[in-house]
Amino acid sequence: KNQVEQSPQSLIILEGKNCTLQCNYTVSPFSNLRWYKQDTGRGPVSLTIMTFSENTKSNGRYTATLDADTKQSSLHITASQLSDSASYICVVSDYAGNMLTFGGGTRLMVKP
Amino acid sequence: DGGITQSPKYLFRKEGQNVTLSCEQNLNHDAMYWYRQDPGQGLRLIYYSQIVNDFQKGDIAEGYSVSREKKESFPLTVTSAQKNPTAFYLCASRSPPGVNTEAFFGQGTRLTVV
Repeated sequence: KNQVEQSPQSLIILEGKNCTLQCNYTVSPFSNLRWYKQDTGRGPVSLTIMTFSENTKSNGRYTATLDADTKQSSLHITASQLSDSASYICVVSDYAGNMLTFGGGTRLMVKP
Repeated sequence: DGGITQSPKYLFRKEGQNVTLSCEQNLNHDAMYWYRQDPGQGLRLIYYSQIVNDFQKGDIAEGYSVSREKKESFPLTVTSAQKNPTAFYLCASRSPPGVNTEAFFGQGTRLTVV
């Protein structure tokens, strides 16, 4: 069964600090992995997409990495801001793109 | 603007009543999904549809029903059989299969049973 596991479940950091969120998956065959940001009471929004051949991709202060061999991805947030407080969800698509498998999310709280 | 629209944003229901949540998209996507999210929890798949007039049960379909009579619309009915319906419901559509496939989400409907 396809699975996506995220860690930690929750994280509290101080404003200005960096943090890294982890995502391990067993989806096969693999198509892409996306990191979504979900603000409280809103729908998730895509931050980055990683395909099989990509190792690193940045979107402003967000940097995603992918190791397709170990089936692991990380999302690194640099110089955190209060507005980064949200849930971050890792979503993996199978090769046919027919099914999306969601991780349970990491709830990040950035404190002043 | 292209997008996916859920309505209403907030919904209150008395116990024993059925209620229907609306989901409309103008992205021309074939695949649509309904998810349930409980406080502090991840997304759980209720139903999904890959094409008009076809839909499949997800992991927690009991107490819910859907229809897909039009490509643009995928309404979810929460029936009285759903024992704990209070939750945040998210509808999504997915772009065509391929290496860049992406799920697009509505803004959600928060359902409260009173």
